[in-house]
Amino acid sequence: EVQLVESGGGLVQPGGSLRLSCAASGFTFSTSNMNWVRQAPGQGLEWVSYMTSTNSKIYYADSVKGRFTISRDNAKNSLYLQMNSLRAEDTAVYYCAREGLSGHFGADYWGQGTLVTVSS
Amino acid sequence: QSALTQPASVSGSPGQSITISCTGTSSDVGGYKYVSWYRQDPGKAPKLMIFDVSNRPSGVSDRFSGSKSGNTASLTISGLQAEDEADYYCSSYRSGSTWVFGGGTKLTVV
Repeated sequence: EVQLVESGGGLVQPGGSLRLSCAASGFTFSTSNMNWVRQAPGQGLEWVSYMTSTNSKIYYADSVKGRFTISRDNAKNSLYLQMNSLRAEDTAVYYCAREGLSGHFGADYWGQGTLVTVSS
Repeated sequence: QSALTQPASVSGSPGQSITISCTGTSSDVGGYKYVSWYRQDPGKAPKLMIFDVSNRPSGVSDRFSGSKSGNTASLTISGLQAEDEADYYCSSYRSGSTWVFGGGTKLTVV
């Protein structure tokens, strides 16, 4: 069974940093491309970042470019999101999501999410 | 302002069919076959319902179908059931290597 478990969320002050983790199991993580997607409270879904299995391609939404960094450790079956210079508008539930077989970012499995709150 | 446009809400009675539209541009919905639909229950993670415009993942009821015409994709749910009540989101690959979503549609079964 595919499982994605996010962790690392919490309360952080504006301008602060946070590192999210996503632990993957039940599939071959090392050959899977991965996304981070977020959802602000009461709002819709917003794609944040994407990374291929071999780190060869990395993409970011304009809203986080230069502040967030996606990375992975295939030996640990883990995906990460380093978030710096956090703003109030970054407050959201952050999901990691596996790209499906047809590619082009679309996800077939999602984790349960971890809540990030940016507030003083 | 979401990249793709969906109606905020749709309602239907049990047994009826409803359709949720998702309008984009030639740079996303109209230009690629990579449209997906997700169901999201309150406090839960999104669940894939349709991928590549019209394909159903294993385990998804055949009451759910997807289609596309021009820059607009559609999700149709036939034989509406009370348990179909949820939020539904469309998404599409967009040129320039990004992934965009609609604002979501709240489906109410009355």
